[in-house]
Amino acid sequence: GESVGLHLPTLSVQEGDNSIINCAYSNSASDYFIWYKQESGKGPQFIIDIRSNMDKRQGQRVTVLLNKTVKHLSLQIAATQPGDSAVYFCAQNQAGTALIFGKGTTLSVSS
Amino acid sequence: DTEVTQTPKHLVMGMTNKKSLKCEQHMGHRAMYWYKQKAKKPPELMFVYSYEKLSINESVPSRFSPECPNSSLLNLHLHALQPEDSALYLCASSPLAGGTYEQYFGPGTRLTVT
Repeated sequence: GESVGLHLPTLSVQEGDNSIINCAYSNSASDYFIWYKQESGKGPQFIIDIRSNMDKRQGQRVTVLLNKTVKHLSLQIAATQPGDSAVYFCAQNQAGTALIFGKGTTLSVSS
Repeated sequence: DTEVTQTPKHLVMGMTNKKSLKCEQHMGHRAMYWYKQKAKKPPELMFVYSYEKLSINESVPSRFSPECPNSSLLNLHLHALQPEDSALYLCASSPLAGGTYEQYFGPGTRLTVT
């Protein structure tokens, strides 16, 4: 079946380090991908998105990379801060209907 | 205004109760969604409304009944729930349906079924 998954359930980094969160997906027909951040007790918050006609997109302190050949998506966070501590989900669209979410990676930032 | 609001924030209900969750957005979005999220799991799609019509029902049990009274409002009516239905219920909206637009999420309703 179709799935969106993350390689690591948890990631611990020091404040100021760069973080890389990975996501593997199986549906090669997907053409839209999103990263969400979810803090405890809150709904998912949009971070950045990318369409399949691109392989890289940058935002403020974040970069998303898309490798369609190996069906891999990654989120890079520069100079990670304690406020970045949260669960990060990747999501892809499915058959033009809705988004499927990956399993999530919990990012812990220590100062 | 990029806010999706949900009420109530918390809800405790017995298995014989009837209650409703409410969601509202004023971004002019024409697609609205209900998701269910269990602890430490990703959100799972339940329903999609497009132009106020139900377009996707992910085989959700009939004890969950969605309603879209107008383009800004989305309700989820609950009846005869089971304890395993306890979860965070998230509402989201996007400009259009189809999975190719950013979805904006509300803060969720934490539901406990006793």
